[in-house]
This record gives sequence, C-alpha cells and structure tokens, in this order.
Amino acid sequence: DVKVTQSSRYLVKRTGEKVFLECVQDMDHENMFWYRQDPGLGLRLIYFSYDVKMKEKGDIPEGYSVSREKKERFSLILESASTNQTSMYLCASSLGGHQEAFFGQGTRLTVV
Amino acid sequence: QQQVKQSPQSLIVQKGGIPIINCAYENTAFDYFPWYQQFPGKGPALLIAIRPDVSEKKEGRFTISFNKSAKQFSLHIMDSQPGDSATYFCAAVNFNKFYFGSGTKLNVKP
Repeated sequence: DVKVTQSSRYLVKRTGEKVFLECVQDMDHENMFWYRQDPGLGLRLIYFSYDVKMKEKGDIPEGYSVSREKKERFSLILESASTNQTSMYLCASSLGGHQEAFFGQGTRLTVV
Repeated sequence: QQQVKQSPQSLIVQKGGIPIINCAYENTAFDYFPWYQQFPGKGPALLIAIRPDVSEKKEGRFTISFNKSAKQFSLHIMDSQPGDSATYFCAAVNFNKFYFGSGTKLNVKP
C-alpha cells in the first residue's frame, strides 16, 4: 500500500519561530510537492522537487524554503512563522508522466 | 492567480441527482487533467483522470467531459449517494506539476 507520511497532524507555533514540516514517501517517486490548502482557495503549490537537491518554486513560495537531501524525504521550512501562514499543509509525491499524485493526511499548522 | 478556475464553490443535491462541477484553464501546455476527492481529515485521493486527446471518460458513476477547444472540463456524478459527500478538486498538470482548482464542497442529501 502506497504511503505518504507527514510527521505531524497538528502543530501550534509562535510568531517568528522556525518551523519544519517533514514528509516521507515509500514509493521511490521522483517528484514531491508541498501545497497549502485554504478555504475557497483550493490547493496552492508552494514548492516542487523533481529529484534529490532539485527544487522549483510554485505559485506561493514567499516565506518558505524546502530541503530534499534524500529521495524519500521532502521538508518544508517556514523561516520565521507568521500568522498568515496558519493553514493546512499537504505533501504529495508522484512518479511523473501521467501518473497520479499521492497525498499525505496533512498538517494543520496554527501560528499564534 | 489561479491557473485552474473551478465552480461552483458548493453544491447540494438530493440522492440520485447528477451534480456537475466545472473547470476551466488557459495554459494549453497542460496535458493531464485529474479529479481528486477529499473527505474531512484526509488528504485528496485520485478519483478519475483524462488526457486532452479524449473527449469523455467514464469510471463507474463518475464521468469527465473534456472540451479542448473551449479549454473546459467537467465532472458528472451519476446517481449520487450520500457517501459521495466530499470536496472535489479538478487539476491540470504541466511538466509534472499539478495545479488545482479552488474546490467544490458537495453535499448529497438522503
């Protein structure tokens, strides 16, 4: 059974903290993604990685960075958390081509 | 700026009805159009997908209609059931990147 695992379901952090969201996939997929999901805005792409150490900015990269040191792991980093980064964060992976993307269960981050 | 526009934002139908969700895009480089279904507390999961060289695809009660010239595609759910109540996202894929619509929350009443 394919799996994308996000390290936390719920997180509460303080404004200005550095926050790490971790994602691991067990499918040997080349591509990994970080999205944020907000009501009425759907899923917006933050960053995309197509190989180890390779990344591309998505539509809303400001305030975020990513790290992919190993194929199976993709981390999202909030350099200095702000209240407008309170959201649901979803990690996904795909093989590429016309193959489906598999999603984790999401991390609901609240920044206070 | 949303690359894929989705409507309506919410939809209520009676059991047995046929909800229709519509999506539109501008970028003609998109080459794969999946639909995802999301239940509360879960990540989205693939429901059905279509490539732009096909005008219609059916899988069980779910049908995608695709109009390449109009750059529009839609999801139809035949004989809808209360268990279909979920949020539905259309997506368009270009160079392995998935761009999603804003989502439609469907409520199928018994």
